[in-house]
Amino acid sequence: EPEVTQTPSHQVTQMGQEVILRCVPISNHLYFYWYRQILGQKVEFLVSFYNNEISEKSEIFDDQFSVERPDGSNFTLKIRSTKLEDSAMYFCASSEALGDVEKLFFGSGTQLSVL
Amino acid sequence: GESVGLHLPTLSVQEGDNSIINCAYSNSASDYFIWYKQESGKGPQFIIDIRSNMDKRQGQRVTVLLNKTVKHLSLQIAATQPGDSAVYFCAENKGTSGYALNFGKGTSLLVTP
Repeated sequence: EPEVTQTPSHQVTQMGQEVILRCVPISNHLYFYWYRQILGQKVEFLVSFYNNEISEKSEIFDDQFSVERPDGSNFTLKIRSTKLEDSAMYFCASSEALGDVEKLFFGSGTQLSVL
Repeated sequence: GESVGLHLPTLSVQEGDNSIINCAYSNSASDYFIWYKQESGKGPQFIIDIRSNMDKRQGQRVTVLLNKTVKHLSLQIAATQPGDSAVYFCAENKGTSGYALNFGKGTSLLVTP
């Protein structure tokens, strides 16, 4: 079973620091996503990425956030200056195409703790 | 505002019983709904989906029912097993060029022996 892998599984950082969360999507997938889940709350959409550009983004995805596909295998989420409220589980997801959500796979997440 | 929400935060059922998890949505224009299962320490896992032109869809041991009149969605799990214990989310796709899923808050299902 192919899977989306995320590193690190846990990240602790000081408020104001930059963090980069890393994801390796499934190799033949073309669409990439970041979601986050604050403890005890629902999963929230952040951004979708296709053909090396952002397709859609939510209100949460402000100027402090950016995404990049630096090479053929990685997909990263950068938070430039972390805030306490950025503490959450961040999920990466990928899909081969748009036609079948059954083939949208989520990674196991990176737990980000901002102190 | 537009939202997808769940009626009950927790549900406890006995092994072998059927489970029903409910979800309400407020956006009458929503046309695509998905149920996800999330086990501890893992990301959401697809269970079943349904489009608004259907009112029922069945999978393996799971059935999703959609009532557009009252904007209600339910997930039925037949013969619930201990491995079904997880948090279940309904979601609607709000994306126009991808899967910008709007998740509900989740119902925790606990299956007791």
